[in-house]
Amino acid sequence: DQQVKQNSPSLSVQEGRISILNCDYTNSMFDYFLWYKKYPAEGPTFLISISSIKDKNEDGRFTVFLNKSAKHLSLHIVPSQPGDSAVYFCAASEAYGQNFVFGPGTRLSVLP
Amino acid sequence: DSGVTQTPKHLITATGQRVTLRCSPRSGDLSVYWYQQSLDQGLQFLIQYYNGEERAKGNILERFSAQQFPDLHSELNLSSLELGDSALYFCASSVVGVSGDRGQNPRYNEQFFGPGTRLTVL
Repeated sequence: DQQVKQNSPSLSVQEGRISILNCDYTNSMFDYFLWYKKYPAEGPTFLISISSIKDKNEDGRFTVFLNKSAKHLSLHIVPSQPGDSAVYFCAASEAYGQNFVFGPGTRLSVLP
Repeated sequence: DSGVTQTPKHLITATGQRVTLRCSPRSGDLSVYWYQQSLDQGLQFLIQYYNGEERAKGNILERFSAQQFPDLHSELNLSSLELGDSALYFCASSVVGVSGDRGQNPRYNEQFFGPGTRLTVL
C-alpha cells in the first residue's frame, strides 16, 4: 500500500501559467515533506520542503502548501518555465533524518 | 553537481552474479541513503547509514547488503542477481541522521542525490 501518492503521472502546462502538482499521504505520523525534481539521467535534486508546523513555504517561484487534516500537499510553480519540465517527486518522513517515503512522481511538461 | 559521487555509472551483468555499487557522500555529510528506482516506479528506500552504523531499513532484500566505512563512503552489495534487480540505484547523503530541531531549519535534513548507477541484469 502506497503511503505517498501522486495520482497524476503526467501534467502539461503552458509556459507562464501555473503548475500545480499534488501529493496525498496516508500516514498521519508524517511530519516533514519534501519535493524533489529529477531530470533524465540525473539524480533527484531538492526543491523545497515543509514541516508540519507550517502550512505554506515559499521559495521564489515555488510554493508548497500543506493541508494536514486532508493529508494533502501541493507544489505550485508560478510562472512555469520550459526548464521546469522534469519529474517531480513528493517525499515524506516521520522524523528528521529518518526513512523517507517517495511518491511515484509526476512528469511535468511546460510547453513554450 | 550535488557533491555525491557514485561508481560505476553503468553496470551490465548476468543473473546469479554479485555486484558492488559505491557511493561517496558530500564532504561533511554523515548520513548515506540507498534507493532503488525501477522502470516507471518511484524511489524505493533501501537502507540508511549514519556515521558508520545502520540507522533505518526499508524494502531491502536479504540478497542485498550495505555498509558505511570509516571514511563515510558506502557500498551496496547485490548478490544472486535476478532480472528484476535491473534498476537505477541512487545514493543520497545528508548532514544529519537523527531527529533535530523540528521546524527550525527544514533544509538541515535535505538529502543530496548522486547521479545513480544503472544496473542491467541479463
